[in-house]
Amino acid sequence: QQPVQSPQAVILREGEDAVINCSSSKALYSVHWYRQKHGEAPVFLMILLKGGEQKGHEKISASFNEKKQQSSLYLTASQLSYSGTYFCGTESASGATNKLIFGTGTLLAVQP
Amino acid sequence: DGGITQSPKYLFRKEGQNVTLSCEQNLNHDAMYWYRQDPGQGLRLIYYSQIVNDFQKGDIAEGYSVSREKKESFPLTVTSAQKNPTAFYLCASSKSTGLNQPQHFGDGTRLSIL
Repeated sequence: QQPVQSPQAVILREGEDAVINCSSSKALYSVHWYRQKHGEAPVFLMILLKGGEQKGHEKISASFNEKKQQSSLYLTASQLSYSGTYFCGTESASGATNKLIFGTGTLLAVQP
Repeated sequence: DGGITQSPKYLFRKEGQNVTLSCEQNLNHDAMYWYRQDPGQGLRLIYYSQIVNDFQKGDIAEGYSVSREKKESFPLTVTSAQKNPTAFYLCASSKSTGLNQPQHFGDGTRLSIL
């Protein structure tokens, strides 16, 4: 089942913060985060494993709440380069392969 | 530099025609994937392959076919049975299909109907 991302879109000024959520109704093994700029390939950001792990990448970090089956992506002091569509991809806890189910994406626009 | 190359970047299909999208990787990855992306939608899995000469259907395999004769190559054929082929097609690869493997994507092929 497709994970639900929220919000669908967000507009920020440079330097502002944002949070993007990804929720699943299924028990998850991990959550992957990708960013895609218009007309380009998605770029891998990070993987969160079950266990409530939190990871960071520059000023972008994420957490995974196993009890809620939810991952949140935190963008701090946003830069123009952060603009794009963010997708979460989930791996089921019952699966044995890297078969990701992607959410519908969150469009992030950072304005000067 | 290692990466994934998709070609062509743009492709047009006539009614009743089969077209083949190319995907080549030099990352020495075992696993490869094909996704379809429609406007405002997430990525939906068409086919994936864990190893040479083996592949499995994804969530929307009808109207598509693939082959995996070489580790580096995973071409996708959009057949005439696919009635709504207009979309952005993305190829990806990962070291294996084990859990916790990031996927690396090509730049995509945009397919349209003439």
